[in-house]
Amino acid sequence: DTGVSQDPRHKITKRGQNVTFRCDPISEHNRLYWYRQTLGQGPEFLTYFQNEAQLEKSRLLSDRFSAERPKGSFSTLEIQRTEQGDSAMYLCASSLEGARGYTFGSGTRLTVV
Amino acid sequence: AQSVTQPDIHITVSEGASLELRCNYSYGATPYLFWYVQSPGQGLQLLLKYFSGDTLVQGIKGFEAEFKRSQSSFNLRKPSVHWSDAAEYFCAVGAADSWGKFQFGAGTQVVVTP
Repeated sequence: DTGVSQDPRHKITKRGQNVTFRCDPISEHNRLYWYRQTLGQGPEFLTYFQNEAQLEKSRLLSDRFSAERPKGSFSTLEIQRTEQGDSAMYLCASSLEGARGYTFGSGTRLTVV
Repeated sequence: AQSVTQPDIHITVSEGASLELRCNYSYGATPYLFWYVQSPGQGLQLLLKYFSGDTLVQGIKGFEAEFKRSQSSFNLRKPSVHWSDAAEYFCAVGAADSWGKFQFGAGTQVVVTP
């Protein structure tokens, strides 16, 4: 078990382009979370999956954002028509149901130019 | 409204000196409390957590935190800091009856001087 993996580590994209990030949680973890962290701030909750079901989305997750976890294993976060305000670190975390606290990945740093 | 406040944005401490990072929360439900550490360009690592019981919690890397319900605080301490403790520290709160959504403070940047 290598922990929570996120790919890519860094992404630079031009405004208006679409980007997709991937998260591979710890294999036995059935819960998966996405957070966004902007410079100088703590992480902010975006969305949460239990198995393949997306159970809650933050108001931060505009229509340009979509997240999937098709087989209850890895998850993808897609941002369409990126804007400069989307520049941030996107963090994925996973846990077992009922666990108190979770394990974060190293994040994907997105820069929109 | 739920909130987590870390009053100190930046702290500078000498190597070998003690460190205390403050965290205050406002939470309607019984809170679960956490401290995470983040090195530059990295994800967050859990230092310690409090759910119930003994209000003094021991964590990794020699850190401890004390839950004070009357003050709505969960301050992090280390008796003697090492240069490797330079990082950003985040306090987080979750509801005991939730599925794990956390609210994080804005963080405290710790600089360790020789």
